[in-house]
Amino acid sequence: DTEVTQTPKHLVMGMTNKKSLKCEQHMGHRAMYWYKQKAKKPPELMFVYSYEKLSINESVPSRFSPECPNSSLLNLHLHALQPEDSALYLCASSQKGWEGRESSYNEQFFGPGTRLTVL
Amino acid sequence: AQSVTQLGSHVSVSEGALVLLRCNYSSSVPPYLFWYVQYPNQGLQLLLKYTTGATLVKGINGFEAEFKKSETSFHLTKPSAHMSDAAEYFCAVSLTGGFKTIFGAGTRLFVKA
Repeated sequence: DTEVTQTPKHLVMGMTNKKSLKCEQHMGHRAMYWYKQKAKKPPELMFVYSYEKLSINESVPSRFSPECPNSSLLNLHLHALQPEDSALYLCASSQKGWEGRESSYNEQFFGPGTRLTVL
Repeated sequence: AQSVTQLGSHVSVSEGALVLLRCNYSSSVPPYLFWYVQYPNQGLQLLLKYTTGATLVKGINGFEAEFKKSETSFHLTKPSAHMSDAAEYFCAVSLTGGFKTIFGAGTRLFVKA
């Protein structure tokens, strides 16, 4: 299995809802990432998990809550979102975990994304 | 701080013509450089990467890029465009082996029949 899967493909939610995005990989990768991509813009890094621990948080609002239950699964819990949070949410994984220093290249594999609409 | 600038938000070429997408980077140390492609409503796919070694890098789908340190450039080329090449292309840079990747604004490639 050489792919990253994301569910759901599309999600529509109200500002008072609680929902979750799911990302899964079975490549034995030890780092997993969440990106947010607005229309016609590049992806912006949100979180990086390495060895199931949060390694990078790019000052993301607390209404986004990541979780890494095991090395294959990454969730993004959503609560009290705003309409401006509507975007494509991309998950990625890479083979090596972050060891706190520059390392040799670590290719990221991206999932197809979840298209989120907040009403 | 590292950054990436892609020249031209839109590029239009005829089928069979040369594709040239421009990318310049800013980095105080030698970076890792990448080109990704994104088709509508899909995730990103890595086209090619420069890490160390040979400065001319060959990727998938007939694309290649040349790392020019003196010009701080990493332009993407393909000798002959195909209709299936129409997509969004992102140049990206990383100093941390790919953990923290900064993307350029993207260039939309249109291919005319």
